[in-house]
This record gives sequence, C-alpha cells and structure tokens, in this order.
Amino acid sequence: QSALTQPASVSGSPGQSITISCTGTSSDVGGYNSVSWYQQYPGKAPKLMIYEVSNRPSGVSDRFSGSKSGNTASLTISGLQAEDEADYYCSSYTSSSTRVFGGGTKVTVL
Amino acid sequence: QVQLVQSGSELKKPGASVKVSCKASGYTFTTYSMNWVRQAPGQGLEWMGWINTNTGNPTYAPGFTGRFVFSLDTSVSTAYLQISNLKADDTAVYYCARPAVGSKGNAFDIWGQGTMVTVSS
Repeated sequence: QSALTQPASVSGSPGQSITISCTGTSSDVGGYNSVSWYQQYPGKAPKLMIYEVSNRPSGVSDRFSGSKSGNTASLTISGLQAEDEADYYCSSYTSSSTRVFGGGTKVTVL
Repeated sequence: QVQLVQSGSELKKPGASVKVSCKASGYTFTTYSMNWVRQAPGQGLEWMGWINTNTGNPTYAPGFTGRFVFSLDTSVSTAYLQISNLKADDTAVYYCARPAVGSKGNAFDIWGQGTMVTVSS
C-alpha cells in the first residue's frame, strides 16, 4: 500500500487560509469516507484534527475543516495562526482493510 | 482521564529483541482496538497494524509481518509490541493509538507518548 500523496510544504501569512491536499486512489481516499487528519509538533504525538472527512473532534478549533472530492481529500486552515505551524498528516482506510498515512506536510506561518 | 502510557526508550543491538508496552487507563480496555504506528527519525507516520482487544487477534500491515508481534495482557489493560531480530532501520518512535468514537476504528484520538527504539551496534 503506497503512502497517500501530500505536498511537502505549505506556507501562509497570519490570518490567511491554506489548504493541504491528500491524494490517493479509488481503493482508499476515493472509496471511503474514512479520511482523517493529524497535527504533529516536533517531538510530540500526533493529534486528531478531522475524522470521517469533515468531522471535528471536541476541542478542535473550527478554523480547521476537511473535505473530499474524488480521490483527493483536503484540510483547510482558516485564519492561520502562529500556533498552526506544525506537520500535518492525512490518513485513510483502504480496500485491504488497512490504514495508510500520507507523507506529511510541513505548514509554515510566515 | 483517558490515557495511554508507554514504556521508556530502548537501546538495542542489531539482532536483539525489544518489547514495548502501552498501558491504558480511564476506559474499558476491551472496548476499543489498539493500533501501532511507527515514525522513523525525520520521517512520516506508518500504520503498523492493530489488535482486537476482545479476541487478541492481530492484523499486520504489509511490511510489518514476521518480526513484529502484537499481544495483550487484558488483566492489566496493556498492549505490547515485540520486535525481533532488530535492524538499524527499525530505529524509530513507536506509538500506540486508540480509535476515536464514531470513526469506525479508522481515526485515532488517544495516543501514547511514544517509545524511542534505537538499534545500534
């Protein structure tokens, strides 16, 4: 199972919106609404930000939103803040009953 | 509160074995599966597989068969990851992770703090 494809880096200025893409195939992202997104700071465990494409866990800011079109899922961060600077990973359920992560995207706040 | 607490860092020689523990608290251990995720230094997350905490049945992701074993001790609400015949490229942080309610087991909202396993001669 190949990793999902994410851009290596995305940057934006405070207050702007940025979008991180996550491209898979019809056997994972496109075939199931089981896409999730994680935020990870250096040396820390990942934190769940979005699950089932667009659901936010309790306590996650509504500046984070998720969507999906075809084989590509997206995470949008609105009103970018300095604290959003971190690595972000997408994940999907697959037709092999496994889970697969994306390669990760480093978000830089300019 | 709900938490997963993992065992401490390990330094092992190539060919040795290591067993990482993940102790759950704050919830009924057998209600949720337990997943394992690897992160090599400077690299991304890799899903290693999961274990059914009711039956003890493990499922391994491709690339994590043979040398990797998931196990449980439900009497102490603890999951284990054992890696045998360690190689240098097993050097990584290993996380246990619990699925989120409503995620059909596919998203993880509770994570252990991670266990660094270093394989070096």
